Amino acid sequence: DAKTTQPNSMESNEEEPVHLPCNHSTISGTDYIHWYRQLPSQGPEYVIHGLTSNVNNRMASLAIAEDRKSSTLILHRATLRDAAVYYCVFQGAQKLVFGQGTRLTINP
Amino acid sequence: NAGVTQTPKFQVLKTGQSMTLQCAQDMNHEYMSWYRQDPGMGLRLIHYSVGAGITDQGEVPNGYNVSRSTTEDFPLRLLSAAPSQTSVYFCASSYSGQGALETQYFGPGTRLLVL
Repeated sequence: DAKTTQPNSMESNEEEPVHLPCNHSTISGTDYIHWYRQLPSQGPEYVIHGLTSNVNNRMASLAIAEDRKSSTLILHRATLRDAAVYYCVFQGAQKLVFGQGTRLTINP
Repeated sequence: NAGVTQTPKFQVLKTGQSMTLQCAQDMNHEYMSWYRQDPGMGLRLIHYSVGAGITDQGEVPNGYNVSRSTTEDFPLRLLSAAPSQTSVYFCASSYSGQGALETQYFGPGTRLLVL
């Protein structure tokens, strides 16, 4: 089964862009890539998803490598409210498989 | 809309006891699923359902049963609780389980402690 690899933690400053990487070298051609984030003591919250092309929404951008073996979640201007654990998730068929997540700390 | 609701919020069980974790959604979502999250870990899929009457196994189904008799409800049953099932359990739902899974809406979670 395809798995995702993420750094355990990252730190950034408020109002600066943040690039969260994810490796998924064993992903198949039909697996979608999703990103969710989780605040303490809460359920995960959807951020963005894509298949092959880069995607943008009001929360973030998703850049997918041409070979699809990696992707990057981009928060364009981090705020303190963006501090959370970010999960890179691949979708195989009708199942979501979560990675270990990256704990993002935002410094004021 | 209440969204996805889960009951109870917290439960303590003794080894060997059985119980049912309740999950309900009022958004008319077809797809529902159960995950467990162990401390410091990501979520792992237990069971999922693409519609009433249809269920399937996820990554870690052993020790758990599900059924989907209505669109709104997706209960998770622990048959004989074990300490290894101590975890936080999340229920999620989305409009459709076809193609790209739509945005998953997660409930607040149930914290389960098995002694």
